[in-house]
Amino acid sequence: ETGVTQSPTHLTKTRGQQVTLRCSSQSGHNTVSWYQQALGQGPQFIFQYYREEENGRGNFPPRFSGLQFPNYSSELNVNALELDDSALYLCASSTGTAMRNSPLHFGNGTRLTVT
Amino acid sequence: EDQVTQSPEALRLQEGESSSLNCSYTVSGLRGLFWYRQDPGKGPEFLFTLYSAGEEKEKERLKATLTKKESFLHITAPKPEDSATYLCAVREGAGNMLTFGGGTRLMVKP
Repeated sequence: ETGVTQSPTHLTKTRGQQVTLRCSSQSGHNTVSWYQQALGQGPQFIFQYYREEENGRGNFPPRFSGLQFPNYSSELNVNALELDDSALYLCASSTGTAMRNSPLHFGNGTRLTVT
Repeated sequence: EDQVTQSPEALRLQEGESSSLNCSYTVSGLRGLFWYRQDPGKGPEFLFTLYSAGEEKEKERLKATLTKKESFLHITAPKPEDSATYLCAVREGAGNMLTFGGGTRLMVKP
């Protein structure tokens, strides 16, 4: 069974630039979520995709956007990068949208540094 | 607004010294409390899900318990390899969004 994989593992961008992060879901999982984890803090929910549509969003501005593809892989796009966007971006996959026995399984994240 | 608070922020134990980590939460309509382990530079690794007060789950040296307002992660006779950050999270209402606490950083010295 292949777990959740994310690319790239590390990335450095300049303020104002745009970035795309990628995620491949665990085999058999059809729901993908993205979280932002600042250093020393717990992850914060950005949004979730199910059947290629966004079906939940946290308190993040519209410059954070995403896509889910038919093979359940996903992208997170961030426009107009700000210094505070520097964080570990985690992708998590699961089965269903509100299933009792469906914990999130996380990838190892992409460490984004904005200078 | 959902709130999840973990304590202590950091905990140093000697190998074999048992202890407990606390996770307090305020949500309306809990649909699961989750414990994860996170090693440096890695993503969170799923440990347990608890759904109702009184429920307990065990895995090796770890036992998680749940009441109506908090959850405890008990660590019995810890080993250095148990050193990690332990995160708890709650799921509330429809959807699959998790609200995480800030984590407890556990260090077990040999």
